[in-house]
Amino acid sequence: DIQMTQSPSLLSASVGDRVTLSCKASQNIYKYLNWYQQKLGEAPKLLIYYTNSLQTGIPSRFSGSGSGTDFTLTISSLQPEDVATYYCYQYNSGPYTFGAGTKLELK
Amino acid sequence: EVQLVESGGGLVQPGRSLKLSCAASGFTFSNYYMAWVRQAPKKGLEWVATISTSGSRTYYPDSVKGRFTISRDNAKSSLYLQMNSLKSEDTATYYCARREYFDFWGPGTMVTVSS
Repeated sequence: DIQMTQSPSLLSASVGDRVTLSCKASQNIYKYLNWYQQKLGEAPKLLIYYTNSLQTGIPSRFSGSGSGTDFTLTISSLQPEDVATYYCYQYNSGPYTFGAGTKLELK
Repeated sequence: EVQLVESGGGLVQPGRSLKLSCAASGFTFSNYYMAWVRQAPKKGLEWVATISTSGSRTYYPDSVKGRFTISRDNAKSSLYLQMNSLKSEDTATYYCARREYFDFWGPGTMVTVSS
């Protein structure tokens, strides 16, 4: 099985900060990597698919990059509404797996 | 507007069965792969099952293979998850999601497996 490792598990940042979240795969997953945002008490929401494609309706301050085993989600200017847990997900090969999540909070 | 609404969750004893449903609207259901994803209380996300557009192909992780069955009724725009031999570790919120990579999610339905 492909293991997805997210870091850090908890991130504190200030409004306006540039924030970078990491996701590492235990094997090459090419670009089959998505990012989801889950706010407290809500269902997850797709932010980025296929590593760097922005889902319709998602603000342009969110961006994704990477390939192979190392991936990054960047928020260019953190907003209060971005407080959430962020999950990466690989769908290159089964069983498809999520990372454990990065919880993003305001400093 | 894409809408997915799950139903059928509840409290069930270990070893028993439960069937979840997901009603889809706002898109041509028969054109999309569909999936179930679950989340145990205060835990992360786990992919549970995926089904092809016609229903001829299904995919599961080992944790549920042989116990859970995903199915669909394209005429009713509905997705199902039959869960048998339930265990306490199956306790979770179950989400219905569109596409193999979950571009839209329902609000979820809670399943509690406990005696």
